[in-house]
Amino acid sequence: EAGVAQSPRYKIIEKRQSVAFWCNPISGHATLYWYQQILGQGPKLLIQFQNNGVVDDSQLPKDRFSAERLKGVDSTLKIQPAKLEDSAVYLCASSLVRGVETQYFGPGTRLLVL
Amino acid sequence: AQTVTQSQPEMSVQEAETVTLSCTYDTSESNYYLFWYKQPPSRQMILVIRQEAYKQQNATENRFSVNFQKAAKSFSLKISDSQLGDTAMYFCAFSSNFGNEKLTFGTGTRLTIIP
Repeated sequence: EAGVAQSPRYKIIEKRQSVAFWCNPISGHATLYWYQQILGQGPKLLIQFQNNGVVDDSQLPKDRFSAERLKGVDSTLKIQPAKLEDSAVYLCASSLVRGVETQYFGPGTRLLVL
Repeated sequence: AQTVTQSQPEMSVQEAETVTLSCTYDTSESNYYLFWYKQPPSRQMILVIRQEAYKQQNATENRFSVNFQKAAKSFSLKISDSQLGDTAMYFCAFSSNFGNEKLTFGTGTRLTIIP
């Protein structure tokens, strides 16, 4: 079974530029999560999707971050414009259904904002 | 809001020895789930073990076991016969049984197994 795929793996941009990350969850997984992991900290949830609907985006900085999950499969997380403090690893995870199911994580995208 | 605290930023142990990683949490809920995740240098987070709060029996997965003390809100991970492949960041995480199932993570413990 293929795992959660993410791309790109690394991205370096200048502040005020825009960037997008892509995630493909495990086939059949209805729930998809985006986490932000700043160096030295644990991951923090940015947004959770159930199929193509948003369950929780309370910690998403909506003035600059946006995410979508069209057709309830792939998802894209965008930052526009980026700030220095957005430098982090962005992790995508998926689980089979809602409820406390095991979340499977992708390898992450490491973003550096200069 | 739930919080998860890991008070050991770094630990090291000789190969084949036993090591215990500490985790405490704070919640007002009576039913919830606790997890230990491992993040090797390649950065892919992997579930090590999980514990349902309503179960009194401590979870065990091969060399990994937990000591779950619900009243003390403590959830430690014991790794027996440690191996070089156990070198990683270990995160303790909490998930509510109600509503949002998001994981709330601690700050992690960097574990190094010394050959």
